[in-house]
Amino acid sequence: QKEVEQNSGPLSVPEGAIASLNCTYSDRVSQSFFWYRQYSGKSPELIMSIYSNGDKEDGRFTAQLNKASQYVSLLIRDSQPSDSATYLCALDDRGSTLGRLYFGRGTQLTVWP
Amino acid sequence: DAGVIQSPRHEVTEMGQEVTLRCKPISGHDYLFWYRQTMMRGLELLIYFNNNVPIDDSGMPEDRFSAKMPNASFSTLKIQPSEPRDSAVYFCASQGQNSYNEQFFGPGTRLTVL
Repeated sequence: QKEVEQNSGPLSVPEGAIASLNCTYSDRVSQSFFWYRQYSGKSPELIMSIYSNGDKEDGRFTAQLNKASQYVSLLIRDSQPSDSATYLCALDDRGSTLGRLYFGRGTQLTVWP
Repeated sequence: DAGVIQSPRHEVTEMGQEVTLRCKPISGHDYLFWYRQTMMRGLELLIYFNNNVPIDDSGMPEDRFSAKMPNASFSTLKIQPSEPRDSAVYFCASQGQNSYNEQFFGPGTRLTVL
């Protein structure tokens, strides 16, 4: 069984700070990695995907991938109260581009004004 | 574009009753996934289909659960008989052939079994 580990949190940061969310995984073969955001009572929403080692930036969000160390992280700059949600890390099945994903349990983030 | 559509959004039933959850994937998507989410276990994959064919049902908890996909635009997840421990939020998600594992989730069905 593939392991996807996330700190459950809660992670609490002040508005304007950088929030750092981390995820480690057990399968070296995985090639695609995702961050989903889930607001309370809502469904997961894809916010970032990353496939290559290094950083990928999209607005205030930066995903970082290190396949050798088997971790992926999400940085949220200038955090806003609207970023308060649970963030789920997900990765593919044995490097496949299609099919199932494996999800972590999620990290709950609270951004206080 | 319409996203993934699920119905009902909320279902309250009594133990022993049959429950049917419905899902319409995004048009043109070839993959359909059923997930269950609870506080205790997080987001669990129950089953997924490719081109209406079940590919992996290893996450289906027991024989009380069954899923079908009679055509490309409709899938059902049935629980018969339902038990209180089945109470959870059930999500349906779909994925297109060229979307590199990017799955899009429906709003979910919150099931409560009394």
